[in-house]
This record gives sequence, structure tokens and C-alpha cells, in this order.
Amino acid sequence: DQQVKQNSPSLSVQEGRISILNCDYTNSMFDYFLWYKKYPAEGPTFLISISSIKDKNEDGRFTVFLNKSAKHLSLHIVPSQPGDSAVYFCAGTGANSKLTFGKGITLSVRP
Amino acid sequence: NAGVTQTPKFQVLKTGQSMTLQCAQDMNHNSMYWYRQDPGMGLRLIYYSASEGTTDKGEVPNGYNVSRLNKREFSLRLESAAPSQTSVYFCASSEAGNRGDSPLHFGNGTRLTVT
Repeated sequence: DQQVKQNSPSLSVQEGRISILNCDYTNSMFDYFLWYKKYPAEGPTFLISISSIKDKNEDGRFTVFLNKSAKHLSLHIVPSQPGDSAVYFCAGTGANSKLTFGKGITLSVRP
Repeated sequence: NAGVTQTPKFQVLKTGQSMTLQCAQDMNHNSMYWYRQDPGMGLRLIYYSASEGTTDKGEVPNGYNVSRLNKREFSLRLESAAPSQTSVYFCASSEAGNRGDSPLHFGNGTRLTVT
């Protein structure tokens, strides 16, 4: 049972435009969500997180939105830069749940 | 500040051989983890150690053993390697277990091929 779903395997965006990366989850016990970014031949690095008591968290060019009723979250990157090209993993966790990752989405930002 | 260090970076094994993947962190974190990443599968938890002296199975523990040697070091052992264990292995650490506000810090991975 896939508890965290990133249904689109890839996304291509023009530099300067908005990138929207989507993530759905099924586990109602998740109360925290995190996004990680991964470059080739490197480990994932933490990007941004959101608690289930919030519906938005912003950090510079990165904003995460949470819609609990729809069990959906999204990561917005504005404006997108070529250096943002990477694989992005969505993950959820809760008091009785281990951190569970989605399969990742590959973002390509075209110059 | 090295963060999380994994050795080796690359390894090729023959079926049935054994090896130990090493991991050390210098951030004084309590919790450590081993993940594997396979194409189209994301990151899957193999084993974790919530604190020094404890270890627990994750999602895909079969064929692996772990040792939390001390607070800094957490090793992963393959006793009899199989081609299905060909993967990229990541070690990670966090300050305080599974809390959402205690994000994981990952090493750069070990790419293992079993022939």
C-alpha cells in the first residue's frame, strides 16, 4: 500500500516560471510532511516541511500548501531556476508512523 | 563539518559474498537510519536506530542486519548478497527520532552492485 503518492514522474518548466509539484497521501495519522531535494550522486537534502495544523509554509522561493480534507500537498517554486533541476521527494510522518517517502518527481528547469 | 559519512562509495559483490556498509555522523544525533533507493521505488527504510542501543526493522529488512556501534556509527551488513540487493544505500541521521520537525540528514550513498 503506497501511503505517499507522487503520480507524475517528471515535470519540465521554463526558467522564471512557477513549478508545482504535487503529492497525495492516504495515511490519516500523518501529522507532518516534508520535501527533500536530491541531485545525482548526492544524498537527499531537506527542503521544507509543514505541520498538519497549518495549510501553508513559505521559505524564500519555496512554498508548501497542505489540503488535509483532500489529503493533498503541493510544493511551489517561484521563480524556477536551472539549479532547481533535481528529484523531489515528498514524505509524511506521524506519532505512530515512520517517515514514508513517495517515489519522487524529476523536475527539469529549462534555461 | 562532515555531516553523515558513508563508506565505501561504490562496491561490486558476487552473489553470496558478505560486506558491511559503514556510516558515521558528527552532529551528535540520536537517531540513525538505513534506506535503499531503487528506480521507480523511492526511498525505502531498511532498519533504524531511534537511540544508541536500540535497533528496529523498517519496511524492507530481509537480508540485512545492523549494528549501532555507538552514538556516531550505524553499520549495515549483508551476510549473503543477492542480485535483488543491487541498489543505492543511504544512511541518515536525525536529532530526535521520527518527529516531523527533526528532518533527516543523509549521506551521499553507497552504490552496490551484486552480480
